[in-house]
Amino acid sequence: DSGVTQTPKHLITATGQRVTLRCSPRSGDLSVYWYQQSLDQGLQFLIQYYNGEERAKGNILERFSAQQFPDLHSELNLSSLELGDSALYFCASSPRDSSGYTDTQYFGPGTRLTVL
Amino acid sequence: GESVGLHLPTLSVQEGDNSIINCAYSNSASDYFIWYKQESGKGPQFIIDIRSNMDKRQGQRVTVLLNKTVKHLSLQIAATQPGDSAVYFCAENSGSNYKLTFGKGTLLTVNP
Repeated sequence: DSGVTQTPKHLITATGQRVTLRCSPRSGDLSVYWYQQSLDQGLQFLIQYYNGEERAKGNILERFSAQQFPDLHSELNLSSLELGDSALYFCASSPRDSSGYTDTQYFGPGTRLTVL
Repeated sequence: GESVGLHLPTLSVQEGDNSIINCAYSNSASDYFIWYKQESGKGPQFIIDIRSNMDKRQGQRVTVLLNKTVKHLSLQIAATQPGDSAVYFCAENSGSNYKLTFGKGTLLTVNP
């Protein structure tokens, strides 16, 4: 158990809908990262937050957004869902900002999103 | 450009044998590398990491070797056990950004 929790574990929804995925980082970790894992693209970095502020963006679609709250939990919002958004979404956390120094990222169990 | 790839998509070994999983990277600015293990239905699990100022690091039954000359990374698992069966990913970070770039993974199957 990494100490990172994610809810829900599974999510089934229809095209055009909007969903919210939730992540609680390890106790004391200030950075949260979101990743998408699909069969054809592998693990892709989406976005990072540190202590409530966005720090880096990866291959995140404009339909997707995230935020980190004062209690450090994070939510990933996916809207106007398409079939191709079906994937595993992982959250990871690390202690620091990683500025000039890379922290190990510890991953949660993931949320499996199925868009029908 | 940034890319991390794996030489072998699948590896099958006998229980008790040593396993070697290889990874090539192309970003010469990468200064931090991690190996993750992902079992079916679970998130990636940290195994071991290495920084670019080292060429070898050992953990419990695992060793990571880094060859910066040829931009190659390997994970050695000693006395492989059935519980080691999983997909193994290498990941790299160049330090100039915050993201990890993952390889596509190698499926390790341990036969009893």
